[in-house]
This record gives sequence, C-alpha cells and structure tokens, in this order.
Amino acid sequence: GQQLNQSPQSMFIQEGEDVSMNCTSSSIFNTWLWYKQEPGEGPVLLIALYKAGELTSNGRLTAQFGITRKDSFLNISASIPSDVGIYFCVPNYGQNFVFGPGTRLSVLP
Amino acid sequence: NAGVTQTPKFQVLKTGQSMTLQCAQDMNHNSMYWYRQDPGMGLRLIYYSASEGTTDKGEVPNGYNVSRLNKREFSLRLESAAPSQTSVYFCASSRDHYNEQFFGPGTRLTVL
Repeated sequence: GQQLNQSPQSMFIQEGEDVSMNCTSSSIFNTWLWYKQEPGEGPVLLIALYKAGELTSNGRLTAQFGITRKDSFLNISASIPSDVGIYFCVPNYGQNFVFGPGTRLSVLP
Repeated sequence: NAGVTQTPKFQVLKTGQSMTLQCAQDMNHNSMYWYRQDPGMGLRLIYYSASEGTTDKGEVPNGYNVSRLNKREFSLRLESAAPSQTSVYFCASSRDHYNEQFFGPGTRLTVL
C-alpha cells in the first residue's frame, strides 16, 4: 500500500499559539479531507479539498491541497483549549479514503 | 436529525462468541462504511456498501461479515470473536462513495 506520513505525531502548545501540521505521501490524490477526533468520539469533518493548490478556511482553520497533489497542510490560528484532539488527514486513494496516523494536539492554558 | 447512530456503545465478549454491531443513518445517504480504530492509530476500513444492495471488502475484512439491511442500516457481524478484534468500531455514511463521510460515536468492543 501507499505510505501516508503525518507530522508531527504529537504537539504541545500554549493557548493562543498558531499550529501547523502536514501530510505527505508518494502517491497522488484527488481529494484531501481533514478530520478531528475528540476523546471518546467519532471523527468530525473539518475541511474538504478537491483541487490541487486549493486553499480553504473554516473559521480559525486553514487547509491547503498541495500543488503536487501528494501533500496537504492544516493550520490552526490562535489555538484554544477546545482544539485538543487528534487531527487526521484523509486522502482519497483509488476508491476508498485512507486515514493518516494522526497528529495529537494538546493545548496548555 | 440524529445523523449516524451505533449500538451498543460498549460490549465485552468472550473468545468464540458472536455478536452484531448495528448502525443506522437518517441523512438519506447512499454509502455506508465500517472502520476499526486500534489504540494510537488511524481508522482502517473493514467493509463498505457503496449503495443499497452492494457490499465490498476494505483493508481489514477478515473475521467480519456485513449486511446492508436497507438504505438506512448497515450491520457488522463477528461470527467468532478473537482478542485481536478488541477495538473501537466506527460506522460512517456519505451521500455517495466519493463524498466526505460522517461518523457515528463508536462501539468499544473488548474480547477476552
């Protein structure tokens, strides 16, 4: 199968800081989704990207579909305590979406 | 709208027992999915149903069977549970197979 790398694996930040995370692969994708999972809950869709180079925002979140179609980035500005959770990149590979290993975000007050 | 609902929320089984996990969606979606999530990992696709009347294997189908009962409901069956099937199971649905998926709250299964 294809290799899907998500970094960082985990991060601890202070409230108010900006956050950046990314996903990279050797494969080309047509769609990138970003999901957030809070403890004890199912993943919730944050942002969907459908075109190479696309930049999309959802409140304090901004995500980009890499121009090579092999990567995607998610930024969170001015983090708050409720941003805590695991963030997954989920590209479309063939017919099914594939979950990355996740970035675990902790926000310190 | 309840979205995607799953029952039960928690289950403990002994090795060799069987059980069925239930999933229902009220969004009139065509496609439904079953995933498992092991500690510290992303979700892995077990089976999916791209449309009513069809089912297909995902990445990790061994030890499981599924039934798309109707457009709303998609069940996952473990015929003979094994400790390796201890996991959190998530059901999801999407408008069509290539659209973004919406997830249920999960079923936490422990096999002793």
